[in-house]
Amino acid sequence: DTAVSQTPKYLVTQMGNDKSIKCEQNLGHDTMYWYKQDSKKFLKIMFSYNNKELIINETVPNRFSPKSPDKAHLNLHINSLELGDSAVYFCASSQRVTGVSPNNEQFFGPGTRLTVL
Amino acid sequence: GENVEQHPSTLSVQEGDSAVIKCTYSDSASNYFPWYKQELGKRPQLIIDIRSNVGEKKDQRIAVTLNKTAKHFSLHITETQPEDSAVYFCAASTSGGFKTIFGAGTRLFVKA
Repeated sequence: DTAVSQTPKYLVTQMGNDKSIKCEQNLGHDTMYWYKQDSKKFLKIMFSYNNKELIINETVPNRFSPKSPDKAHLNLHINSLELGDSAVYFCASSQRVTGVSPNNEQFFGPGTRLTVL
Repeated sequence: GENVEQHPSTLSVQEGDSAVIKCTYSDSASNYFPWYKQELGKRPQLIIDIRSNVGEKKDQRIAVTLNKTAKHFSLHITETQPEDSAVYFCAASTSGGFKTIFGAGTRLFVKA
């Protein structure tokens, strides 16, 4: 009964390669996110999608291209990998609620540890 | 731009003592403030949250307070236990909930 899943869990690759990370949620949520967590544990938003549409692109280089084929999936493709891309990438999802404050808990995937050599 | 500052970066307490982590945020439009706990090698998980129309919320040993005027919010953990040892992140949500800014994290050590 995995709520948010990511594949692969580990990814080791050479500089200049292209790689993809897949994310799926079975919670029926409308909103999905990608975060990058660096070696100092700093957690930074990269992208937010709502019902397959890009809402937030937090000044991420064009080498990163998210794709949402449906609202349960948000994949991340990275071109021309650089050393600085090494990090743990977390996918997350949430269900916005109506009312005064339409924000809600985010459920994170297990993370993908990307190492660029 | 939006920013969330979190202090302290490291906190060491004796089992049974209380722990307090403080955060400030810059975007006055922020209206949702979650706290996440991340154990080593694991994913962040929500432990408590507070919305902008509430000043305080408690769940067993955990409580959160929010001062909207000062743009401060704090996490209080009472009767700490070794299993509370983890990294704790505060966050502020803005842009209609589509953008969550995280603090830099507090590494909490609870000594038995």
